[in-house]
Amino acid sequence: GDSVTQMEGPVTLSEEAFLTINCTYTATGYPSLFWYVQYPGEGLQLLLKATKADDKGSNKGFEATYRKETTSFHLEKGSVQVSDSAVYFCALGGGKLIFGQGTELSVKP
Amino acid sequence: EPEVTQTPSHQVTQMGQEVILRCVPISNHLYFYWYRQILGQKVEFLVSFYNNEISEKSEIFDDQFSVERPDGSNFTLKIRSTKLEDSAMYFCASRGRDGHNSPLHFGNGTRLTVT
Repeated sequence: GDSVTQMEGPVTLSEEAFLTINCTYTATGYPSLFWYVQYPGEGLQLLLKATKADDKGSNKGFEATYRKETTSFHLEKGSVQVSDSAVYFCALGGGKLIFGQGTELSVKP
Repeated sequence: EPEVTQTPSHQVTQMGQEVILRCVPISNHLYFYWYRQILGQKVEFLVSFYNNEISEKSEIFDDQFSVERPDGSNFTLKIRSTKLEDSAMYFCASRGRDGHNSPLHFGNGTRLTVT
């Protein structure tokens, strides 16, 4: 069945460092791909999405490109802030979503 | 911005007891979902609900689970006889009338602890 695999966490970075969180997927068909973020004590919030191959989703300085040839949707940000500390979930789906295991990001000042 | 709200934020119950988790989806949304996240594990799909019936459910959603939309605003998840392994964070989500083209909006979750 469809699945999503994310890089293991936790990831610890200094402020202004470059961030990459890897995400690969297995799917039949051409699902939409998503990144969700969960700040401490809060629910899941949609960060960005891409609905077809080569689409780039972007929001709040984060970007991810839907790569069909490598079945990947890696999340990147050029310069992280302390406020970016959260758990990040890669997901795929149309109706229901299938989530990766989440990657905890901790950004130190 | 409209939000999905869930109550309570934390529920503690004894094994074998019934529990009802409550959700108020965004008011003009038509598709409703429950997910759960056992501590340290993936967020897992439980059930989707549309037009007053279950549209899809996972293997986790066995006879101990049920969902209901008792009125125009609430969407509930009932666990009939809780087990220790039901301890998890339960998330409610909804999406608008565009269906798959509209994003899922999640609530803040209910942490269920079964003792």
